[in-house]
Amino acid sequence: NAGVTQTPKFQVLKTGQSMTLQCAQDMNHEYMSWYRQDPGMGLRLIHYSVGAGITDQGEVPNGYNVSRSTTEDFPLRLLSAAPSQTSVYFCASSRGGENQPQHFGDGTRLSIL
Amino acid sequence: AQTVTQSQPEMSVQEAETVTLSCTYDTSENNYYLFWYKQPPSRQMILVIRQEAYKQQNATENRFSVNFQKAAKSFSLKISDSQLGDTAMYFCAFTERDDAYKLSFGAGTTVTVRA
Repeated sequence: NAGVTQTPKFQVLKTGQSMTLQCAQDMNHEYMSWYRQDPGMGLRLIHYSVGAGITDQGEVPNGYNVSRSTTEDFPLRLLSAAPSQTSVYFCASSRGGENQPQHFGDGTRLSIL
Repeated sequence: AQTVTQSQPEMSVQEAETVTLSCTYDTSENNYYLFWYKQPPSRQMILVIRQEAYKQQNATENRFSVNFQKAAKSFSLKISDSQLGDTAMYFCAFTERDDAYKLSFGAGTTVTVRA
């Protein structure tokens, strides 16, 4: 039972490079979300999806792009990495409907030099 | 946008004792859900407990219980009989009834359980 799988677990990039963080879930969940975690700020929503082909922006979407071509996968793309994007990134998924808790992946620690 | 405030950055408790973490939130909605998540040093996000705003009864999960005060917009977590494995960062989170995929988190409280 894999749940939510994020790859890679760690990554170091140089400023200006692009990269895709992968997220896959095997629970047939409708909803998927990306968060970033910074010290002293908790987790903040970047982008989310309520189903295949449907995505929308969260609280801090600038510099990130997402797509959802299948129910299982929800990749997060950094278009041109900046030091301000150094963070821990979490992907989460949940069933549709009320009161369905989000299940989180183990996170990706990303450092931008 | 909803805001979630955790006013205690760090707390320390002796093993077997009780510790209470505070959380307040701001919303104009009547239907919503509240959660406490635990993040141990392994970085995993683990759901501890959840509360539906329309339920008067406070949620309980084993040694974890909440005190939900809807009028005061307060949602505190009590950890009873603290264990070393409870050492972690704890996050309070909020979501509206129709936006279950959009959690708003507090800044977190680091709990250290001393042997």
